[in-house]
Amino acid sequence: GENVEQHPSTLSVQEGDSAVIKCTYSDSASNYFPWYKQELGKRPQLIIDIRSNVGEKKDQRIAVTLNKTAKHFSLHITETQPEDSAVYFCAARGTGGGADGLTFGKGTHLIIQP
Amino acid sequence: DAGVIQSPRHEVTEMGQEVTLRCKPISGHNSLFWYRQTMMRGLELLIYFNNNVPIDDSGMPEDRFSAKMPNASFSTLKIQPSEPRDSAVYFCASSFRDFLSTDTQYFGPGTRLTVL
Repeated sequence: GENVEQHPSTLSVQEGDSAVIKCTYSDSASNYFPWYKQELGKRPQLIIDIRSNVGEKKDQRIAVTLNKTAKHFSLHITETQPEDSAVYFCAARGTGGGADGLTFGKGTHLIIQP
Repeated sequence: DAGVIQSPRHEVTEMGQEVTLRCKPISGHNSLFWYRQTMMRGLELLIYFNNNVPIDDSGMPEDRFSAKMPNASFSTLKIQPSEPRDSAVYFCASSFRDFLSTDTQYFGPGTRLTVL
């Protein structure tokens, strides 16, 4: 099955700086890569996603890049703000036929220092 | 839309007891997923349904776990008998899956289960 590795497990950045979280996946057939943000005691919420036919996607301060050849994808947050502090999860999903569930990375605890 | 609804939000039970978690997906969604979250293992997919049919239950840890989806608006996850290592937050998520949709998975608020 799919295996997703996520790094780093903890990331501390100064407010206003950029944060980058990286993930690798093992199944070359995976075609959908969402990122979820989870605040303490809350549910995971989708912040951005990318499909395998696209190399980069941006939404305001958040961007995701995908390198299919290397099987890795990254989350970029620019101009970080205190409300960006949370745990971020990357995930990968296969191509159907029983592979619709998401495989998650172990999460990155992002800490924004004031 | 009310989003995905889960009940109960918190459950404390004793080892050996039966536990039933409930989920109501977003209206119109045709896929439903059960995930479990623990500090040690992170977010794990337990089982998912498409059009009320179980598609993949390979993530269900043991025969003590079972899940049903009798109709498009209701699913249950049952643990019988429960054990302390089942303590976790259980999330239900739903999506609308077809060839054209983004099939984003929306998570419910979760059920925090504590087995003493």
